[in-house]
Amino acid sequence: KNEVEQSPQNLTAQEGEFITINCSYSVGISALHWLQQHPGGGIVSLFMLSSGKKKHGRLIATINIQEKHSSLHITASHPRDSAVYICAVINYNTDKLIFGTGTRLQVFP
Amino acid sequence: EAGVTQSPTHLIKTRGQQATLRCSPISGHTSVYWYQQALGLGLQFLLWYDEGEERNRGNFPPRFSGRQFPNYSSELNVNALELEDSALYLCASSPDPSSSYNEQFFGPGTRLTVL
Repeated sequence: KNEVEQSPQNLTAQEGEFITINCSYSVGISALHWLQQHPGGGIVSLFMLSSGKKKHGRLIATINIQEKHSSLHITASHPRDSAVYICAVINYNTDKLIFGTGTRLQVFP
Repeated sequence: EAGVTQSPTHLIKTRGQQATLRCSPISGHTSVYWYQQALGLGLQFLLWYDEGEERNRGNFPPRFSGRQFPNYSSELNVNALELEDSALYLCASSPDPSSSYNEQFFGPGTRLTVL
């Protein structure tokens, strides 16, 4: 079993829909990253959070440390949001970053 | 402000050869991280350098090595290349050496193909 699980693996949406991507982890963590990877491989760090909630534009990330769960929400989705979204956690004991396998999002006009 | 840069963009090698990948962090960042993304697999942590020293290492064999220079740029060396080393290698930099994984800024990657 992977230490970081994401769901769904693939997600399609119509423009304007509200999107939720989930991340569950099984290790103690010091922080969690949400990353966005566009075709061609370029990666952008969206959020790093260790508690609560962060918002940037149409993106919202939440984390529940007790439940070992984080969600990434996209409001009013747009075709340019099409990308792979990756959850990664910092293992509190080893200090290493562990990645989920990603969620492939396609938003159609 | 210039972002993280990596070179080359693409690299083609044959089995048994050595590959050298380069990364320049954002100005002022002292930490550099290397990741491997093999086809069909997620990102995997390779190495973390800070202030010229290796701080942490992922589960990769010793033929994966690197170094960080006084100007904080970094090289990743892969010796005795194997076909399964074909992957996208990403470099990231971070400004805060006191916290091992503060927000990281990623470069565009080097795509290594081993024939």
